[in-house]
Amino acid sequence: GEDVEQSLFLSVREGDSSVINCTYTDSSSTYLYWYKQEPGAGLQLLTYIFSNMDMKQDQRLTVLLNKKDKHLSLRIADTQTGDSAIYFCAESIGTALIFGKGTTLSVSS
Amino acid sequence: EPEVTQTPSHQVTQMGQEVILRCVPISNHLYFYWYRQILGQKVEFLVSFYNNEISEKSEIFDDQFSVERPDGSNFTLKIRSTKLEDSAMYFCASSVRDSKTDTQYFGPGTRLTVL
Repeated sequence: GEDVEQSLFLSVREGDSSVINCTYTDSSSTYLYWYKQEPGAGLQLLTYIFSNMDMKQDQRLTVLLNKKDKHLSLRIADTQTGDSAIYFCAESIGTALIFGKGTTLSVSS
Repeated sequence: EPEVTQTPSHQVTQMGQEVILRCVPISNHLYFYWYRQILGQKVEFLVSFYNNEISEKSEIFDDQFSVERPDGSNFTLKIRSTKLEDSAMYFCASSVRDSKTDTQYFGPGTRLTVL
């Protein structure tokens, strides 16, 4: 069935790079997304990648897509304490977004 | 920058009562969605809505749920007879969904507590 898998926790030091990984199931997904959720807040769109792309860079964010392995990653360069949040990977299936359980990123100074 | 708004931010209700959660999507968006997030769990798709009809719904979206676009700006989710397990954060989203983009923009959510 449809399932998006992510590791649950990642802890990094300020200034390091963070890499959050995700695997998805539906090879027909047109778009893949990364959303950020801060405590008590809604879902903020960070970035997305079209399925015919391998990489997308947006300032400190780099998304890599390996369609063969159905693997998506989000790299945050120069991670700051303000990046501490839950990061959700999502794939689009039909009109629905199917989310992973989220990766909690903890950034220590 | 246009945003999706939701009211109320927190709703407390008794089991068995009806609740209506309200959303104002981004004004030029055509597709509207509801999702829910039970505390500590993943965000789950409930329903998508386009052209005054449900496009898709999940298994969660049973007969207790309904959606409506009562006017040109609001989009509502009604839960007819709330159960304890309906306690969750409910997110509304909207999108343009054209050939160039399918990005869904989310509101801040309504926290529903069923007692």
